[in-house]
Amino acid sequence: RKEVEQDPGPFNVPEGATVAFNCTYSNSASQSFFWYRQDCRKEPKLLMSVYSSGNEDGRFTAQLNRASQYISLLIRDSKLSDSATYLCVVRENTGFQKLVFGTGTRLLVSP
Amino acid sequence: EAQVTQNPRYLITVTGKKLTVTCSQNMNHEYMSWYRQDPGLGLRQIYYSMNVEVTDKGDVPEGYKVSRKEKRNFPLILESPSPNQTSLYFCASSSMTGGSNQPQHFGDGTRLSIL
Repeated sequence: RKEVEQDPGPFNVPEGATVAFNCTYSNSASQSFFWYRQDCRKEPKLLMSVYSSGNEDGRFTAQLNRASQYISLLIRDSKLSDSATYLCVVRENTGFQKLVFGTGTRLLVSP
Repeated sequence: EAQVTQNPRYLITVTGKKLTVTCSQNMNHEYMSWYRQDPGLGLRQIYYSMNVEVTDKGDVPEGYKVSRKEKRNFPLILESPSPNQTSLYFCASSSMTGGSNQPQHFGDGTRLSIL
């Protein structure tokens, strides 16, 4: 079983749509959670951290369910520029900065 | 501008010819790391360093070496490259102060092809 699992997609949605991505992680002792965005052949960039109480940043909302070991990302009012791969990332408790990356979910937003 | 700089960005070389990929950061970060990214496998950690002269293996260290003689630099060395090391490589750095939610900053990536 992969440590961090994501649906690879692609998710094809029209502009303005709401889309949700899910991610599950296997290590119940994981400490921190993130969503990174990666454009084709570019470096990953932090989109947002995910907090236990859930958090929102503009059109993006992240949720964490520790009991189910489940993380989600909701994008409202999708823009063409949202087309990218979204990486679910978990920091484990095995080392200060041990990050485990999911393989990513690809989003394609069309006009 | 705060950044992580990798060189080269692209390299095609042959089996067995030693190569070094440099990584430099200007943010005074303690932590630096190397990843490789392959289709269907996501990013996997090769080596990391938590300070000068302190390095440790990640998940896929075989065939690689690193050094951390200065805080800003963390070169990745392939002593005898093989075709299975053909991949997209990323260097990243992060501060180790301010809690566990510190993000990692990535370089632009180095695409290596070993023939």
